[in-house]
Amino acid sequence: TQLLEQSPQFLSIQEGENLTVYCNSSSVFSSLQWYRQEPGEGPVLLVTVVTGGEVKKLKRLTFQFGDARKDSSLHITAAQPGDTGLYLCAGARWTNAGKSTFGDGTTLTVKP
Amino acid sequence: ETGVTQSPTHLIKTRGQQVTLRCSSQSGHNTVSWYQQALGQGPQFIFQYYREEENGRGNFPPRFSGLQFPNYSSELNVNALELDDSALYLCASSLSANTDTQYFGPGTRLTVL
Repeated sequence: TQLLEQSPQFLSIQEGENLTVYCNSSSVFSSLQWYRQEPGEGPVLLVTVVTGGEVKKLKRLTFQFGDARKDSSLHITAAQPGDTGLYLCAGARWTNAGKSTFGDGTTLTVKP
Repeated sequence: ETGVTQSPTHLIKTRGQQVTLRCSSQSGHNTVSWYQQALGQGPQFIFQYYREEENGRGNFPPRFSGLQFPNYSSELNVNALELDDSALYLCASSLSANTDTQYFGPGTRLTVL
């Protein structure tokens, strides 16, 4: 069974601070996605990473895929209250495209 | 706005009843995956449909079944509802069964009493 562990489970910070959340597994994935989900809504795709060591930037968000394709991190610079939400990582394997395994997420609260 | 729609938004059922949830995928997408998200947890894969055929299934009992129609919209049916079936049910569409990039709908919140 593939498991994705996300840490921390909860994170509460002040506006302007930087933060990093992690997504770790003992399994290798062909790709890994990061989503942001707000209460009562579906996850919204932020990024897909596919190459070991890959770094992608989306404004103040930086995503990194581990060299061994087993882990990933999301770094947010100068967090804003609008960044508040549940951040989910999801991994897929070559033979199971689109049948993603999700972590349980990191709930981020950014206080003004 | 992902272009994926789900209905109904909310639903309340009692134990033992049956429920049908519906999903309309994004234009041009022929693959739909269904997920169950219990409170405080990440989504869990139920099954995927590709061109009207089931294309993979997660660890869910047979009372969870699905359909995909020629226009690639999809249904999730759950029979003999149990209290633990209470969850947010999400569908996600993708361009094909070979892509990992999925776009989620807003979900249907099912409450079983």
